Amino acid sequence: DAGVIQSPRHEVTEMGQEVTLRCKPISGHNSLFWYRQTMMRGLELLIYFNNNVPIDDSGMPEDRFSAKMPNASFSTLKIQPSEPRDSAVYFCASSLSVRNSPLHFGNGTRLTVT
Amino acid sequence: GQQLNQSPQSMFIQEGEDVSMNCTSSSIFNTWLWYKQDPGEGPVLLIALYKAGELTSNGRLTAQFGITRKDSFLNISASIPSDVGIYFCAGRTPGSGNTGKLIFGQGTTLQVKP
Repeated sequence: DAGVIQSPRHEVTEMGQEVTLRCKPISGHNSLFWYRQTMMRGLELLIYFNNNVPIDDSGMPEDRFSAKMPNASFSTLKIQPSEPRDSAVYFCASSLSVRNSPLHFGNGTRLTVT
Repeated sequence: GQQLNQSPQSMFIQEGEDVSMNCTSSSIFNTWLWYKQDPGEGPVLLIALYKAGELTSNGRLTAQFGITRKDSFLNISASIPSDVGIYFCAGRTPGSGNTGKLIFGQGTTLQVKP
C-alpha cells in the first residue's frame, strides 16, 4: 500500500528563496496535517485540513508560511522568504476524519536554509 | 497549552533488557498513541489505546492507557538492536472531536548495546 508521499526528501536553499514542500496523502484519507520537527521543539503541528479545508492554522509560525490543499490528493507547504531558522524536518501526515483514526506519517522533507 | 511530559528523555540499555517509558499530562486524553521513529523516516504507529485502563500488546511491546486518562506507558520486553530509535507518545483530547489533532511528547531516544 502506498503511504503518505512527500517530496522532495531533501531541500537545501539560500536564505530569502521560496521553498515549496509537497505531500500526497493516503488515498481515502480526508484529514491532512503538516508537522515540523526540530531538536529543540520536537514535533509541532503547523496546520491541518479536513476535506481540503484548513481547520486550524494556529501553529503556522509566521506569514511567511502558507499551506494549500487544492484537492484530496495533494497539499503544499510554502515558505517565502525562507530563513535559516526554518531549517527542520517537515512531515505530512494523513488520517480518516473519524473518531480515533490514527495519523500516518510520510518520511519527511529535510529542509536546510543557509 | 496542553503538554505531554515523556520520560525518560533517553535510555541506553543492554540487548535483552526490558524497557519502560511513560507519558503524563495535566489534561485528560481520550486517545493515546505510541509511535517509533527511525533515522530519516517518519514516525510509525506502534500501538493505539482508546479506553481508560486498556492494556494492548503488539509483539514484544505492551502499552497501557492510564485509569486516570492522564498517563500512558510503553514497555518493550527483551530488547533487540533494531529497537533503536525515538519513541513518541501522542494524545488526543476530548475537545479535539473527530479532527485527529494530536499532541506529541518530546520523545524517548532508545539505544541498545548488542
